[in-house]
Amino acid sequence: DTGVSQDPRHKITKRGQNVTFRCDPISEHNRLYWYRQTLGQGPEFLTYFQNEAQLEKSRLLSDRFSAERPKGSFSTLEIQRTEQGDSAMYLCAGGGGAVQETQYFGPGTRLLVL
Amino acid sequence: GQQLNQSPQSMFIQEGEDVSMNCTSSSIFNTWLWYKQDPGEGPVLLIALYKAGELTSNGRLTAQFGITRKDSFLNISASIPSDVGIYFCAGQLPGNEKLTFGTGTRLTIIP
Repeated sequence: DTGVSQDPRHKITKRGQNVTFRCDPISEHNRLYWYRQTLGQGPEFLTYFQNEAQLEKSRLLSDRFSAERPKGSFSTLEIQRTEQGDSAMYLCAGGGGAVQETQYFGPGTRLLVL
Repeated sequence: GQQLNQSPQSMFIQEGEDVSMNCTSSSIFNTWLWYKQDPGEGPVLLIALYKAGELTSNGRLTAQFGITRKDSFLNISASIPSDVGIYFCAGQLPGNEKLTFGTGTRLTIIP
Protein backbone atom coordinates (compact mmCIF):
# COMPACT_ATOMS: atom_id res chain seq x y z
CA ASP A 1 0.00 0.00 0.00
CA THR A 2 1.58 3.27 -1.18
CA GLY A 3 -0.75 5.41 0.90
CA VAL A 4 -1.96 7.22 -2.22
CA SER A 5 -5.74 7.04 -2.55
CA GLN A 6 -7.99 7.96 -5.45
CA ASP A 7 -11.70 8.53 -5.63
CA PRO A 8 -13.83 7.30 -7.28
CA ARG A 9 -12.31 4.02 -8.42
CA HIS A 10 -14.74 3.76 -11.31
CA LYS A 11 -16.81 6.33 -13.18
CA ILE A 12 -19.28 5.83 -16.01
CA THR A 13 -20.57 8.97 -17.67
CA LYS A 14 -22.33 10.08 -20.80
CA ARG A 15 -20.54 12.01 -23.50
CA GLY A 16 -20.67 15.73 -22.83
CA GLN A 17 -20.84 15.47 -19.06
CA ASN A 18 -18.20 16.85 -16.69
CA VAL A 19 -16.31 14.57 -14.30
CA THR A 20 -13.95 15.25 -11.40
CA PHE A 21 -11.46 12.88 -9.84
CA ARG A 22 -9.64 13.27 -6.54
CA CYS A 23 -6.20 12.12 -5.42
CA ASP A 24 -4.89 12.10 -1.85
CA PRO A 25 -1.14 11.48 -1.53
CA ILE A 26 0.62 10.98 1.78
CA SER A 27 1.73 14.13 3.60
CA GLU A 28 5.41 13.59 2.70
CA HIS A 29 4.66 13.82 -1.04
CA ASN A 30 5.34 17.42 -2.00
CA ARG A 31 5.11 16.38 -5.65
CA LEU A 32 1.95 15.01 -7.23
CA TYR A 33 1.61 13.63 -10.75
CA TRP A 34 -1.31 12.71 -13.01
CA TYR A 35 -1.01 10.08 -15.74
CA ARG A 36 -3.47 8.53 -18.18
CA GLN A 37 -3.35 4.88 -19.23
CA THR A 38 -5.29 3.39 -22.11
CA LEU A 39 -5.79 -0.32 -22.63
CA GLY A 40 -2.59 -2.18 -23.54
CA GLN A 41 -0.35 0.85 -23.04
CA GLY A 42 1.89 2.19 -20.35
CA PRO A 43 0.86 5.30 -18.39
CA GLU A 44 1.36 8.66 -20.13
CA PHE A 45 2.22 11.83 -18.26
CA LEU A 46 -0.44 14.54 -18.01
CA THR A 47 0.74 17.08 -15.44
CA TYR A 48 2.54 17.53 -12.12
CA PHE A 49 2.54 19.78 -9.07
CA GLN A 50 5.26 20.85 -6.69
CA ASN A 51 3.24 21.71 -3.60
CA GLU A 52 0.37 23.83 -4.96
CA ALA A 53 2.17 24.99 -8.10
CA GLN A 54 1.40 23.27 -11.39
CA LEU A 55 4.81 23.14 -13.05
CA GLU A 56 4.36 21.12 -16.23
CA LYS A 57 1.49 20.13 -18.51
CA SER A 58 1.61 17.60 -21.33
CA ARG A 59 0.21 18.27 -24.78
CA LEU A 60 -2.23 15.47 -23.92
CA LEU A 61 -3.89 17.83 -21.46
CA SER A 62 -6.36 19.60 -23.74
CA ASP A 63 -8.31 22.71 -22.77
CA ARG A 64 -11.09 20.48 -21.46
CA PHE A 65 -8.80 19.19 -18.72
CA SER A 66 -7.93 21.13 -15.59
CA ALA A 67 -6.03 20.06 -12.51
CA GLU A 68 -5.66 21.77 -9.17
CA ARG A 69 -3.84 21.23 -5.90
CA PRO A 70 -5.13 24.14 -3.85
CA LYS A 71 -3.39 23.55 -0.53
CA GLY A 72 -0.52 21.41 -1.68
CA SER A 73 -2.17 18.28 -0.33
CA PHE A 74 -4.97 16.59 -2.31
CA SER A 75 -5.46 17.22 -6.02
CA THR A 76 -8.42 17.16 -8.40
CA LEU A 77 -8.52 16.47 -12.11
CA GLU A 78 -11.59 17.71 -13.97
CA ILE A 79 -12.60 16.80 -17.49
CA GLN A 80 -15.24 18.99 -19.08
CA ARG A 81 -17.49 17.94 -21.95
CA THR A 82 -16.19 14.38 -21.89
CA GLU A 83 -15.60 12.53 -25.15
CA GLN A 84 -15.44 8.80 -25.78
CA GLY A 85 -11.71 9.14 -26.35
CA ASP A 86 -11.32 10.22 -22.72
CA SER A 87 -12.12 6.67 -21.60
CA ALA A 88 -9.01 5.47 -19.77
CA MET A 89 -7.50 4.80 -16.36
CA TYR A 90 -6.42 8.02 -14.66
CA LEU A 91 -3.53 7.47 -12.30
CA CYS A 92 -2.19 9.73 -9.61
CA ALA A 93 1.29 9.38 -8.13
CA GLY A 94 3.01 11.03 -5.20
CA GLY A 95 6.69 11.67 -4.86
CA GLY A 96 9.49 13.96 -3.78
CA GLY A 97 9.39 13.06 -0.11
CA ALA A 98 12.10 10.41 -0.17
CA VAL A 99 15.84 10.92 -0.48
CA GLN A 100 15.78 9.81 -4.07
CA GLU A 101 13.19 10.58 -6.72
CA THR A 102 10.51 7.91 -7.00
CA GLN A 103 6.83 8.00 -7.81
CA TYR A 104 4.26 5.95 -5.93
CA PHE A 105 0.98 5.34 -7.68
CA GLY A 106 -2.54 5.19 -6.38
CA PRO A 107 -5.07 2.55 -7.51
CA GLY A 108 -6.41 4.72 -10.33
CA THR A 109 -9.83 5.88 -11.48
CA ARG A 110 -11.23 4.02 -14.46
CA LEU A 111 -13.38 6.29 -16.63
CA LEU A 112 -15.82 5.02 -19.23
CA VAL A 113 -17.51 7.57 -21.45
CA LEU A 114 -20.60 6.27 -23.23
CA GLY B 1 3.12 9.98 -26.68
CA GLN B 2 6.63 8.56 -26.50
CA GLN B 3 7.08 5.14 -24.94
CA LEU B 4 10.19 3.13 -24.30
CA ASN B 5 10.91 -0.10 -26.18
CA GLN B 6 10.30 -2.96 -23.81
CA SER B 7 10.77 -6.64 -24.63
CA PRO B 8 9.51 -9.21 -24.73
CA GLN B 9 5.92 -8.08 -25.11
CA SER B 10 4.68 -11.25 -23.39
CA MET B 11 6.12 -14.32 -21.74
CA PHE B 12 4.62 -17.71 -21.02
CA ILE B 13 6.67 -19.66 -18.49
CA GLN B 14 6.36 -22.47 -16.02
CA GLU B 15 6.49 -21.94 -12.29
CA GLY B 16 10.06 -22.03 -11.03
CA GLU B 17 11.59 -20.64 -14.22
CA ASP B 18 13.71 -17.50 -14.31
CA VAL B 19 12.51 -14.46 -16.27
CA SER B 20 14.41 -11.68 -18.02
CA MET B 21 13.06 -8.54 -19.63
CA ASN B 22 14.63 -5.32 -20.81
CA CYS B 23 13.92 -1.78 -21.79
CA THR B 24 15.79 0.42 -24.26
CA SER B 25 15.69 4.06 -25.18
CA SER B 26 17.27 6.40 -27.68
CA SER B 27 17.65 8.96 -24.86
CA ILE B 28 19.84 8.97 -21.77
CA PHE B 29 17.97 8.60 -18.49
CA ASN B 30 18.93 9.63 -14.96
CA THR B 31 16.56 7.21 -13.27
CA TRP B 32 15.10 3.85 -14.18
CA LEU B 33 12.14 2.41 -12.30
CA TRP B 34 10.45 -0.97 -12.61
CA TYR B 35 6.76 -1.40 -11.77
CA LYS B 36 4.31 -4.30 -11.70
CA GLN B 37 0.64 -3.75 -12.46
CA ASP B 38 -2.24 -6.10 -11.74
CA PRO B 39 -5.56 -5.78 -13.64
CA GLY B 40 -7.59 -2.78 -12.51
CA GLU B 41 -4.89 -1.52 -10.16
CA GLY B 42 -2.18 1.11 -10.23
CA PRO B 43 1.49 0.25 -10.89
CA VAL B 44 3.43 -0.89 -7.84
CA LEU B 45 7.08 0.12 -7.58
CA LEU B 46 9.45 -2.85 -7.52
CA ILE B 47 12.95 -1.42 -7.91
CA ALA B 48 14.44 2.06 -8.40
CA LEU B 49 17.85 2.65 -10.05
CA TYR B 50 19.74 5.96 -9.94
CA LYS B 51 23.27 5.34 -11.24
CA ALA B 52 24.71 3.87 -14.43
CA GLY B 53 25.85 0.31 -13.78
CA GLU B 54 23.85 0.04 -10.56
CA LEU B 55 22.61 -3.45 -9.74
CA THR B 56 19.81 -3.65 -7.17
CA SER B 57 17.87 -6.59 -5.76
CA ASN B 58 14.48 -6.85 -4.10
CA GLY B 59 13.97 -10.46 -3.00
CA ARG B 60 13.86 -12.61 -6.13
CA LEU B 61 13.97 -9.52 -8.37
CA THR B 62 17.17 -7.97 -9.66
CA ALA B 63 17.42 -4.94 -11.90
CA GLN B 64 20.32 -3.16 -13.53
CA PHE B 65 20.84 0.37 -14.83
CA GLY B 66 22.69 0.00 -18.14
CA ILE B 67 26.17 1.50 -18.49
CA THR B 68 25.09 3.57 -21.49
CA ARG B 69 22.16 4.95 -19.40
CA LYS B 70 19.91 4.04 -22.32
CA ASP B 71 18.73 0.65 -21.09
CA SER B 72 17.71 -1.35 -18.06
CA PHE B 73 17.09 -5.00 -17.27
CA LEU B 74 14.84 -6.84 -14.83
CA ASN B 75 15.32 -10.46 -13.81
CA ILE B 76 12.96 -12.58 -11.74
CA SER B 77 14.32 -15.80 -10.33
CA ALA B 78 12.30 -18.93 -9.49
CA SER B 79 8.97 -17.48 -10.60
CA ILE B 80 5.85 -18.11 -8.49
CA PRO B 81 2.14 -17.70 -9.36
CA SER B 82 1.88 -14.24 -7.78
CA ASP B 83 4.49 -12.95 -10.26
CA VAL B 84 1.77 -12.97 -12.94
CA GLY B 85 1.01 -9.47 -14.19
CA ILE B 86 2.30 -6.71 -16.43
CA TYR B 87 5.76 -5.30 -15.79
CA PHE B 88 6.61 -1.77 -16.87
CA CYS B 89 9.92 0.00 -17.02
CA ALA B 90 9.92 3.76 -16.63
CA GLY B 91 12.69 6.26 -17.20
CA GLN B 92 13.25 9.84 -16.12
CA LEU B 93 15.18 12.23 -18.35
CA PRO B 94 17.74 14.61 -16.80
CA GLY B 95 16.02 17.70 -15.43
CA ASN B 96 12.59 16.31 -16.20
CA GLU B 97 10.02 15.24 -13.61
CA LYS B 98 7.78 13.08 -15.75
CA LEU B 99 8.23 9.35 -16.19
CA THR B 100 8.29 7.82 -19.66
CA PHE B 101 6.95 4.28 -19.56
CA GLY B 102 7.71 1.19 -21.58
CA THR B 103 5.07 -0.72 -23.46
CA GLY B 104 4.95 -3.45 -20.82
CA THR B 105 5.78 -7.15 -20.55
CA ARG B 106 2.86 -9.44 -19.74
CA LEU B 107 3.99 -12.43 -17.67
CA THR B 108 1.84 -15.57 -17.63
CA ILE B 109 2.64 -18.73 -15.71
CA ILE B 110 1.54 -21.94 -17.34
CA PRO B 111 0.28 -24.60 -14.90
